[in-house]
Amino acid sequence: KAGVTQTPRYLIKTRGQQVTLSCSPISGHRSVSWYQQTPGQGLQFLFEYFSETQRNKGNFPGRFSGRQFSNSRSEMNVSTLELGDSALYLCASSITGTATNNERFFGPGTRLTVL
Amino acid sequence: QQQVKQSPQSLIVQKGGISIINCAYENTAFDYFPWYQQFPGKGPALLIAIRPDVSEKKEGRFTISFNKSAKQFSLHIMDSQPGDSATYFCAASLSGGYNKLIFGAGTRLAVHP
Repeated sequence: KAGVTQTPRYLIKTRGQQVTLSCSPISGHRSVSWYQQTPGQGLQFLFEYFSETQRNKGNFPGRFSGRQFSNSRSEMNVSTLELGDSALYLCASSITGTATNNERFFGPGTRLTVL
Repeated sequence: QQQVKQSPQSLIVQKGGISIINCAYENTAFDYFPWYQQFPGKGPALLIAIRPDVSEKKEGRFTISFNKSAKQFSLHIMDSQPGDSATYFCAASLSGGYNKLIFGAGTRLAVHP
């Protein structure tokens, strides 16, 4: 079974631009969540989608948004990029939407660099 | 209250030794405590997880010890191997919190031959 796929793997943008990152979950998984990983702040939850609905959102500004399609693939968008948005963006998929005993499988991440 | 505090930040262990990483939390509503292992260039991978109604869980060389009254949990890696060198994250999630995991800051483990 193929794992979680994230595209692109690396991205370089300049301040003020916008970016869209894509995540394809494991086949049969309906929940996709997104995390930002930085050396200073560690791993921080961005948002979670289940059956095309955002059910939970982390403490990030409105410049960060996402969506999920009917095939469970998800995209996240960051508008008006800032230098501090440079990070590894990780996507995790799971079968159900419940938190407990629900293994999340992480993708390799998209490394975003903002210049 | 949403934080998970992890220590140490880095750890050096000799091959065959025991690696111990500790985490503490405040929110008693957390009900799921996983540990993740991350190698450079890879996403985190689930190692082992525990619920608060169990005090210890062992899977191979990896053991989680859970102290509900102290609101602490720890990962023990027995017979540590150079291949265990990675960054380890503890995490916690809330009942009803869907897939929101709250991660500790991470521990960089180096196992020397």
